[in-house]
Amino acid sequence: EAGVTQSPTHLIKTRGQQVTLRCSPISGHTSVYWYQQALGLGLQFLLWYDEGEERNRGNFPPRFSGRQFPNYSSELNVNALELEDSALYLCASSLVSSGTYQETQYFGPGTRLLVL
Amino acid sequence: AQSVTQLDSHVSVSEGTPVLLRCNYSSSYSPSLFWYVQHPNKGLQLLLKYTSAATLVKGINGFEAEFKKSETSFHLTKPSAHMSDAAEYFCVVSEGASGGSYIPTFGRGTSLIVHP
Repeated sequence: EAGVTQSPTHLIKTRGQQVTLRCSPISGHTSVYWYQQALGLGLQFLLWYDEGEERNRGNFPPRFSGRQFPNYSSELNVNALELEDSALYLCASSLVSSGTYQETQYFGPGTRLLVL
Repeated sequence: AQSVTQLDSHVSVSEGTPVLLRCNYSSSYSPSLFWYVQHPNKGLQLLLKYTSAATLVKGINGFEAEFKKSETSFHLTKPSAHMSDAAEYFCVVSEGASGGSYIPTFGRGTSLIVHP
């Protein structure tokens, strides 16, 4: 069974640019979570999508946005990049079983973004 | 509200000696608890999870953790460290299954260093 995949693996952008990161969940998983792992700050929750809807959002500015597609894959968009957006962006997926969200999350390898 | 504290930012052991990574949690519900491992430049891999069944949980690669409600702890142990265990370890608490938020809270991580 294929795990969570993310693309690209690495990205270099300059301040003010926009970036799109992509995530494909494990087959059968409908929930997708996005996290930012910046140096020294641990994992910070960004966004949660399920069934195409945004279910929850972390404490990040509106220039962080995303969406989930009918096939449950997801995109994270970051506009007007700032230097402090440099981080590893992790995507995770989880299962919904019998109408109940399952708490176990399975992570992808991440996309490392460097903003110069 | 939920929170998790990893008591050591770094733990250093010799190969073949026991490993103890400490985690305390706080929760208003009956939480689920997880340990994840992250090797350099990789995503997070699930080591084990506690979801209100047996209090002693066995995970992959010889790791286990014991849930102690009276001490609000969920420490991770391994009898004998291997060089390949060197990585960052995250303790995670989630309250979703017991009525709280499905957004997990991650500890700040413990870096395990293994000396030959």
